[in-house]
Amino acid sequence: NAGVMQNPRHLVRRRGQEARLRCSPMKGHSHVYWYRQLPEEGLKFMVYLQKENIIDESGMPKERFSAEFPKEGPSILRIQQVVRGDSAAYFCASSHGQGATEAFFGQGTRLTVV
Amino acid sequence: AQRVTQPEKLLSVFKGAPVELKCNYSYSGSPELFWYVQYSRQRLQLLLRHISRESIKGFTADLNKGETSFHLKKPFAQEEDSAMYYCALTSAAAGNKLTFGGGTRVLVKP
Repeated sequence: NAGVMQNPRHLVRRRGQEARLRCSPMKGHSHVYWYRQLPEEGLKFMVYLQKENIIDESGMPKERFSAEFPKEGPSILRIQQVVRGDSAAYFCASSHGQGATEAFFGQGTRLTVV
Repeated sequence: AQRVTQPEKLLSVFKGAPVELKCNYSYSGSPELFWYVQYSRQRLQLLLRHISRESIKGFTADLNKGETSFHLKKPFAQEEDSAMYYCALTSAAAGNKLTFGGGTRVLVKP
């Protein structure tokens, strides 16, 4: 089991471009969480998804950000028309399901907007 | 609302000295508390969870509901303990999303 896989590890985008971040959960995990870490800050929850469903998106900015977790394939965090303030490390975590189960983290994608 | 506070951004100790990382939380329900660790160039990984009441790598943490704290302690720090440590809180009512503190960087000097 390769663990939670995120790609790319590093992504550079110019202002106004789109950024797509991918997360493949651990085998057997159907719950995915996305977190953002701004420079010098802790991780902040963005969105919680199960297969084909968004369960909680209370941490997602209202505009330009979207997430999906299709029946087949990885979870995608999409940022449209990126701005400098989107530069951050984006972490994905997966778990078996609800209950106080352990969440396993990916290595993150570091997005730099130039 | 859930909130986790780690007041120290950096803790620097000598090898063999005790180390304590402070974590305070605010939550009105029944939270689950965790400590996560991130070693250099590695992914975030779970170190401790309060419901397990176990010691991992010599670290222990006790949930104090009266003081709403979950401080992490180790009596004798080792150089390999140098890392970023994050205290986190979750609950079933919150859909198990984690609320993290700002993190404490621990540097263990030889």
